[in-house]
Amino acid sequence: EIVLTQSPATLSLSPGERATLSCRASQSVSSYLAWYQQKPGQAPRLLIYDASNRATGIPARFSGSGSGTDFTLTISSLEPEDFAVYYCQQRSNWSWTFGQGTKVEIK
Amino acid sequence: EVQLVETGGGLIQPGGSLRLSCAASGFTVSSNYMSWVRQAPGKGLEWVSVIYSGGSTYYADSVKGRFTISRDNSKNTLYLQMNSLRAEDTAVYYCARFYTLVQAFDIWGQGTMVTVSS
Repeated sequence: EIVLTQSPATLSLSPGERATLSCRASQSVSSYLAWYQQKPGQAPRLLIYDASNRATGIPARFSGSGSGTDFTLTISSLEPEDFAVYYCQQRSNWSWTFGQGTKVEIK
Repeated sequence: EVQLVETGGGLIQPGGSLRLSCAASGFTVSSNYMSWVRQAPGKGLEWVSVIYSGGSTYYADSVKGRFTISRDNSKNTLYLQMNSLRAEDTAVYYCARFYTLVQAFDIWGQGTMVTVSS
């Protein structure tokens, strides 16, 4: 099973600041890496697929990069609605795994 | 409108059984990979099971042999039969479409809570 490790666990930032979230895979996942945003009491929402492609309706301030084992989600300038938990996810053969999440909180 | 609506959660004693349902609208369940993903209180997301469009099914090791995923094409509905439930199965259960073109879960239901406790 491929393990995804996200860092940091918590990111304390102010609105307008840049957020950089990391996701590292225990072995290569090529570019098949997705990112999700989850707010309290809500289902996850797809942000990024194939490492760098924004899903429908996702603002341009969200961007993804990376391939192989190291991936990054960047929020260029945090808006109040961006404070949430973010998860990365991969699929390999018949198994899907998520990272443990990064909470982006207001400083 | 494209949406998924889960039902069937509740409080169940350890060792008991429960069946979750996920009704889809706006797309066809049988033409897609459909999954269940759960989230224990205060914890992260855990993939549980998938059913492929061709009917193949796969499970996380934590539920293998206890949970069964299935679908009813006539009702456009996904199911999760959960047997021999344990306290550690307590979670919000989400159904989600895994869209193979983007290799990601692009449609999620609102979730249904399952509590396993005596």
